[in-house]
Amino acid sequence: AQKITQTQPGMFVQEKEAVTLDCTYDTSDPSYGLFWYKQPSSGEMIFLIYQGSYDQQNATEGRYSLNFQKARKSANLVISASQLGDSAMYFCAMKGRAGTALIFGKGTTLSVSS
Amino acid sequence: ETGVTQSPTHLIKTRGQQVTLRCSSQSGHNTVSWYQQALGQGPQFIFQYYREEENGRGNFPPRFSGLQFPNYSSELNVNALELDDSALYLCASSLFVGEPSYNSPLHFGNGTRLTVT
Repeated sequence: AQKITQTQPGMFVQEKEAVTLDCTYDTSDPSYGLFWYKQPSSGEMIFLIYQGSYDQQNATEGRYSLNFQKARKSANLVISASQLGDSAMYFCAMKGRAGTALIFGKGTTLSVSS
Repeated sequence: ETGVTQSPTHLIKTRGQQVTLRCSSQSGHNTVSWYQQALGQGPQFIFQYYREEENGRGNFPPRFSGLQFPNYSSELNVNALELDDSALYLCASSLFVGEPSYNSPLHFGNGTRLTVT
């Protein structure tokens, strides 16, 4: 069975600072994908970044980067230069080769203050 | 590029009733899936449709059923509503072009918030 663990219920950061949101995963699939999504209070789930299990380099998308440590089974999201609009719930998720479901963690609420 | 759209945005139903939620996939996508998100939790996978057939299902009872139409739009039907069915229902679409499918991100709609009283 696949499992995503996000241990930080809430994180607080000031504008322009960097923040790391933690994610660990468990799977027996040798091939899998890891995703991060942002969910503002409006409810829409916004795709941020993807990392494949065989990707040699850490994924980056603008201010978002994924710190992928395969041996530790961790896939932390790093947001550089935080903005007020980054305040939202963030979900780590994974999908294995064997399944169709995207498995989500419980999420981390990020609050950015000025 | 048209994103995923869901209707209605909000819905209030009574226990025992039936409900139909609708979803239009993002243009160019051929796979649609549905998720239930209870308050304060991560989304839970209900099922996925590809080529108008269900090709994956989560741990949900048969009273949760769905359809995918030739234009890749979809419906989620829930019969005999229970109080615990109150949640945000998210539709997501993606493009499947062959394995591996895990590298294709899902694109979600804004969701339908269902309240069962």
